[in-house]
Amino acid sequence: QVQLQESGPGLVKPSQTLSLTCTVSGGSITSGDYYWSWIRQHPGKGLEWIGYIHYSGNTFYTPSLKSRVTISRDTSQNQFSLKLTSVTVADTAVYYCARGLGPEAKPDYWGQGTLVAVSS
Amino acid sequence: DIQVTQSPSSLSASVGDRVTITCRASQSIGTYFNWYQQKPGKAPNLLISAASTLQSGVPSRFRGSGSGTDFSLTISSLQPEDFATYYCLQSYSTPLTFGGGTKVEIK
Repeated sequence: QVQLQESGPGLVKPSQTLSLTCTVSGGSITSGDYYWSWIRQHPGKGLEWIGYIHYSGNTFYTPSLKSRVTISRDTSQNQFSLKLTSVTVADTAVYYCARGLGPEAKPDYWGQGTLVAVSS
Repeated sequence: DIQVTQSPSSLSASVGDRVTITCRASQSIGTYFNWYQQKPGKAPNLLISAASTLQSGVPSRFRGSGSGTDFSLTISSLQPEDFATYYCLQSYSTPLTFGGGTKVEIK
């Protein structure tokens, strides 16, 4: 069974870059029709889909964050990563990585989530 | 982007009650629709995909229905472990969009 685990700093200063990594076990991020995704949840709020990197290497980002987001991968480590630049307090959230099941990319397996606070 | 409107935002119910949550998509999306359950401090769990397909291990008291723009999740007899927040998700087109959530609380 596939497992995902987020890692990265829990505190980022305003205007800096948020960087998170998702380590995948139990399956390769380069096989199968999967979309390796990032989703976030502001404290006490709903879910916001950020984007994905497809097993083929193609990426898609939600338009509202597109100018600040990069999702990349390290196939040798079976990891994929999220970078969000120029963060503000509005980017404080629990960030989840997830596997999206093709062809719709709907998330089926999720990491446990990691809280990232943006504060000076 | 496709907007998804979920209602109600919260509800109070008793064990054994029948509960229905609805979502409406801003355009027709066939059955590219999914339901998640989230408990406090945990990641969402996929309950239903393709509008009505129960995921493995999900109790049969959960039922999804609908197509086009209107969808619903029904819990036929609410159990103590069902008190949680439920989210719907359209997967017809990217960006994927979630409904705002429904918190099911104990009456």
